[in-house]
Amino acid sequence: AQSVTQLDSHVSVSEGTPVLLRCNYSSSYSPSLFWYVQHPNKGLQLLLKYTSAATLVKGINGFEAEFKKSETSFHLTKPSAHMSDAAEYFCVVSLPGRRALTFGSGTRLQVQP
Amino acid sequence: NAGVTQTPKFQVLKTGQSMTLQCAQDMNHEYMSWYRQDPGMGLRLIHYSVGAGITDQGEVPNGYNVSRSTTEDFPLRLLSAAPSQTSVYFCASSYATGMNTEAFFGQGTRLTVV
Repeated sequence: AQSVTQLDSHVSVSEGTPVLLRCNYSSSYSPSLFWYVQHPNKGLQLLLKYTSAATLVKGINGFEAEFKKSETSFHLTKPSAHMSDAAEYFCVVSLPGRRALTFGSGTRLQVQP
Repeated sequence: NAGVTQTPKFQVLKTGQSMTLQCAQDMNHEYMSWYRQDPGMGLRLIHYSVGAGITDQGEVPNGYNVSRSTTEDFPLRLLSAAPSQTSVYFCASSYATGMNTEAFFGQGTRLTVV
């Protein structure tokens, strides 16, 4: 079985400070991992994905994530938050041979001025 | 580029009514799926399809039907709407080569059942 856990339902940061959104997964196989972002009343947009190449993955808008197999983690980071980063973020896992994605419960990021 | 198009964007139904949520993609993707999004629960898979004529159930299929007569279209039918089906529904598609590739999402349909 595979699952994905987002450790924080809400994260609040000040503009210009670092962002850390935490994600742990459980899988018997090497998964593909994704981070998606959803801005209010919008669809989901891919931020970045890990597919067993480099363990540090760079995405759009300055986000990056590091795959750590020993910790079964795939945390999302950004050095400096912008107001426009306020959104909900989903960690997503996929297994080879599976035909659909498994979503974490989401982390809502607030950015304070 | 249209991508994945969902209609309608908003819908209010009375309990017991039926309706179809439409989803179309123009990227020639084999895989299509329907999710529902509820607060604090992420997105949960309702049904999915790996190609025309092939569908399968996801995590929460009860009360929903799907069909896939063409590669482009993947409609979701609510047979007899219930208040528990009040949710935001997303359709997604991805390449035939498997799930290591990005899924593209529609803008969502916000459904309220009263």
